[in-house]
Amino acid sequence: GAVVSQHPSRVICKSGTSVKIECRSLDFQATTMFWYRQFPKQSLMLMATSNEGSKATYEQGVEKDKFLINHASLTLSTLTVTSAHPEDSSFYICSAVILGTRATNQPQHFGDGTRLSIL
Amino acid sequence: AQTVTQSQPEMSVQEAETVTLSCTYDTSESNYYLFWYKQPPSRQMILVIRQEAYKQQNATENRFSVNFQKAAKSFSLKISDSQLGDTAMYFCAFMKRGNNNDMRFGAGTRLTVKP
Repeated sequence: GAVVSQHPSRVICKSGTSVKIECRSLDFQATTMFWYRQFPKQSLMLMATSNEGSKATYEQGVEKDKFLINHASLTLSTLTVTSAHPEDSSFYICSAVILGTRATNQPQHFGDGTRLSIL
Repeated sequence: AQTVTQSQPEMSVQEAETVTLSCTYDTSESNYYLFWYKQPPSRQMILVIRQEAYKQQNATENRFSVNFQKAAKSFSLKISDSQLGDTAMYFCAFMKRGNNNDMRFGAGTRLTVKP
């Protein structure tokens, strides 16, 4: 149980293109989803917290106009990298928390990540 | 703000032996949770073990166990009978008890199990 599907797994596109990444909880409803960025051989850096039906909360230094997050339903959050440039190339990972488990010790369940390469 | 420190960027261990990965954290909170995640070359994040701060008993999951020292703010992971499949990046994570399940990760330790 608690499967999170992230799509696509790999994207290669030209500079200036906008790229959408989907994060779906397949067998549960997610109160909250998180978006991380991971550079090679580095840790996960939280970019934003996505709550269904409300605006995402962005971490300091993350451009909200650059990284658009939409959490339209309890099973889907999307991250759109707008007008992507080579410096946006990275590994992006989403995670989700099962509905009803706020304020508990439930961990985040992670997707398999998306490797984004901007040429 | 909470910070998580993993002071060992890389470690190696012989197959079937035991290895301990270190993690310290800094927080003013009294209620929180700690986790170890494994990230193999496939990049998938896999939960290894978790510990509630209010529990004194150290968590164990088969070959994985932790040494949780709350006063010292230390949370080390011991892997017994290491297997080749244990080769991965290991991340220590802190989660404040609250209503957003926000997690903070350490920099990671790259573990290599040698045959």
